[in-house]
Amino acid sequence: EAGVTQFPSHSVIEKGQTVTLRCDPISGHDNLYWYRRVMGKEIKFLLHFVKESKQDESGMPNNRFLAERTGGTYSTLKVQPAELEDSGVYFCASSHLTGTGTYEQYFGPGTRLTVT
Amino acid sequence: AQRVTQPEKLLSVFKGAPVELKCNYSYSGSPELFWYVQYSRQRLQLLLRHISRESIKGFTADLNKGETSFHLKKPFAQEEDSAMYYCALSRSTGFQKLVFGTGTRLLVSP
Repeated sequence: EAGVTQFPSHSVIEKGQTVTLRCDPISGHDNLYWYRRVMGKEIKFLLHFVKESKQDESGMPNNRFLAERTGGTYSTLKVQPAELEDSGVYFCASSHLTGTGTYEQYFGPGTRLTVT
Repeated sequence: AQRVTQPEKLLSVFKGAPVELKCNYSYSGSPELFWYVQYSRQRLQLLLRHISRESIKGFTADLNKGETSFHLKKPFAQEEDSAMYYCALSRSTGFQKLVFGTGTRLLVSP
């Protein structure tokens, strides 16, 4: 079974430019999460999709960030315009209800975003 | 507010020595606690969760509600245990977001 995939693995852009990150969850996982780790800080929650609906977007830092999950499959996270403080590693995770009643989140490899 | 504290950024031990990675949390309710691990060039993966009460790769963690702690322990560290370890919590019901600590890098030297 393929794991969570993210594209690109690394992106370097200039301040003011736009970047779109993509996440493909594990097939059949309705729940999809975005997290971010800024250097030196903890991994922080950004938002949670259930299928195509935003269940919780309390972690989105500001309106320069836009997440979508059209059709309830893959998700994109767009940053427009990018600022220096947006640099970090963006993780995607997906989860489902297991046979033992747990909700393990499986993480992708992350996208390292560098804004110069 | 939900918060996870990992006081040590780096823990360096010799092979065969006992290891304890500390984790304290604050949460108004009954959270579910986890330890995630990220080995070099690999993705973040679940190591263990408190409700399963199992030992994974020789690691155990006991939830102490009185001290609001969930420390990760291993009696004899191995070089392959070197990695970044994150303590995390979530609400105990349903598909909930994870709140992470800042992580502790464990370095096991030969």
